[in-house]
Amino acid sequence: DAGVIQSPRHEVTEMGQEVTLRCKPISGHNSLFWYRQTMMRGLELLIYFNNNVPIDDSGMPEDRFSAKMPNASFSTLKIQPSEPRDSAVYFCASSRSGKSTYEQYFGPGTRLTVT
Amino acid sequence: DQQVKQNSPSLSVQEGRISILNCDYTNSMFDYFLWYKKYPAEGPTFLISISSIKDKNEDGRFTVFLNKSAKHLSLHIVPSQPGDSAVYFCAASALIQGAQKLVFGQGTRLTINP
Repeated sequence: DAGVIQSPRHEVTEMGQEVTLRCKPISGHNSLFWYRQTMMRGLELLIYFNNNVPIDDSGMPEDRFSAKMPNASFSTLKIQPSEPRDSAVYFCASSRSGKSTYEQYFGPGTRLTVT
Repeated sequence: DQQVKQNSPSLSVQEGRISILNCDYTNSMFDYFLWYKKYPAEGPTFLISISSIKDKNEDGRFTVFLNKSAKHLSLHIVPSQPGDSAVYFCAASALIQGAQKLVFGQGTRLTINP
């Protein structure tokens, strides 16, 4: 099992540019989560999908952030336009939904730096 | 509002001794609690969990205790080993519209000294 795959691992961009982060969940998992980790706020949930449908996007900081999941094996998180305060590590995680399985499996993260 | 709190940002323990990491939560709707371990430049990895109907779960050197009345859980590692040095996140789970939503604490950096 390859685990959750994220790309790129590192992204450096200038303020105002569009940034797209990508995630491939573990095969067979039907829930996908995007998190952001910063020193100030720790690990916070941005959005999650269940069966490719966005369930809760209340953690998305503002309209500059958007996420899509066009199929069960791929999701994107887009920031347009990016700002220096978006600099953080972004994690994608997946799990099997339902009461019997609670653990989420995280990818290695994308470290985003906006200058 | 911080629903899950880890009040100790760091903890230093001597190798071979017991490490105790603490976590408090405020929401009574949480039905499952987990601990994750994170090494630098890696994603968090699941370590151990406990259902809200239990008060203890043990897995090798790791034991999680849950005190529902106090809304408090703790992770015990004994004996502590140098490889246990990492950031530990406490997480609480609630089932929302068919998916488990995790709320994480801020994390505690554990350092095991040889």
